[in-house]
Amino acid sequence: DQQVKQNSPSLSVQEGRISILNCDYTNSMFDYFLWYKKYPAEGPTFLISISSIKDKNEDGRFTVFLNKSAKHLSLHIVPSQPGDSAVYFCAASKVGRGSTLGRLYFGRGTQLTVWP
Amino acid sequence: DVKVTQSSRYLVKRTGEKVFLECVQDMDHENMFWYRQDPGLGLRLIYFSYDVKMKEKGDIPEGYSVSREKKERFSLILESASTNQTSMYLCASSLGQPNTIYFGEGSWLTVV
Repeated sequence: DQQVKQNSPSLSVQEGRISILNCDYTNSMFDYFLWYKKYPAEGPTFLISISSIKDKNEDGRFTVFLNKSAKHLSLHIVPSQPGDSAVYFCAASKVGRGSTLGRLYFGRGTQLTVWP
Repeated sequence: DVKVTQSSRYLVKRTGEKVFLECVQDMDHENMFWYRQDPGLGLRLIYFSYDVKMKEKGDIPEGYSVSREKKERFSLILESASTNQTSMYLCASSLGQPNTIYFGEGSWLTVV
């Protein structure tokens, strides 16, 4: 059973507007969350992360929000650019005792298309 | 910068062949991983290793094995390739915690 879910397989946004990608998780033991970006025929690249002790982390145009009570996180891209068109994967991990030492659980990804 | 290198970008193999996918990382990372990516299925973990000669099964280990004889190298082995193993294979590594993992460029395997 998937512990990390991205329920929207695709999202289309006009250049300059905000892109919001959503992710839900079921395991309350997750306490570190990441977003990866993937272009076709390339490996995923790390984009931004957030620890469960925070509810927001910002890096330039990218902001990740975490709502622990809802087990929900989102990635905001403002302003969106055509070069942001890619598949975005949400991932989660458990840190601490009993952890499997770095294993990430991935969602199935959301294809973002930013059109001019 | 972290560098994870996968030796083959594109391979075409016949059903029943033994296939080796090699991966090397240059950051002295403890953990290494093999994932496969298929459309609509996301990234699925095949095997991972947290130390030399140590390995753990991921979510889809059937039909695969791995080898980690040296810290920097993690090999994925398809003992007898089948057409349903046609996929993009991604190697990754991480230091541990926080659990940011770094991926290689990927290997496209087609089994005919």
